[in-house]
Amino acid sequence: DAGVIQSPRHEVTEMGQEVTLRCKPISGHNSLFWYRQTMMRGLELLIYFNNNVPIDDSGMPEDRFSAKMPNASFSTLKIQPSEPRDSAVYFCASSLAGLANTGELFFGEGSRLTVL
Amino acid sequence: GNSVTQMEGPVTLSEEAFLTINCTYTATGYPSLFWYVQYPGEGLQLLLKATKADDKGSNKGFEATYRKETTSFHLEKGSVQVSDSAVYFCALKGNTPLVFGKGTRLSVIA
Repeated sequence: DAGVIQSPRHEVTEMGQEVTLRCKPISGHNSLFWYRQTMMRGLELLIYFNNNVPIDDSGMPEDRFSAKMPNASFSTLKIQPSEPRDSAVYFCASSLAGLANTGELFFGEGSRLTVL
Repeated sequence: GNSVTQMEGPVTLSEEAFLTINCTYTATGYPSLFWYVQYPGEGLQLLLKATKADDKGSNKGFEATYRKETTSFHLEKGSVQVSDSAVYFCALKGNTPLVFGKGTRLSVIA
């Protein structure tokens, strides 16, 4: 079975450019999470969705960040405009929701973003 | 709110040494506890979990026991291998999404 698929794996861009990261969750999973990983702050939850609906976006650092989940098999995280301090590895993860949720998250391989 | 504190790394051990990575938590109610592992260039993957007090999770020679009285979930392995080199994350889940510790990098040298 395919796991969580993220693209691109690596992105290098210049400050001020728009960045779009993409995620395809595991089929049948109805919760989707976006995390950011940096050396200084570790793993931070940015936003999560249940059944395509954003539930908690309190971790989104500022208005430059936005996330969408137009259907059960696709989500995007957009940064516009990007800044050097956004450089990090961005992970998407999915899981079952509700009573079927054992707490286990399934992570993608991450998108490493470098903003120059 | 819920939080997890784990020992700072990096930890460097020789092959076949004993490993302990400490993890303590703060939570309301009765959370489930997890250890995740991240190998170089990969995403996190579940290593083991425990859902109630005194439960022991185990996998691949790693163990951790849910200690409610000390609010701890320390990770142990009796004999580490070079292939265990990775970053290990302690995590808890209450009525909110998983909360992760900052991770502990383990390097095992032959």
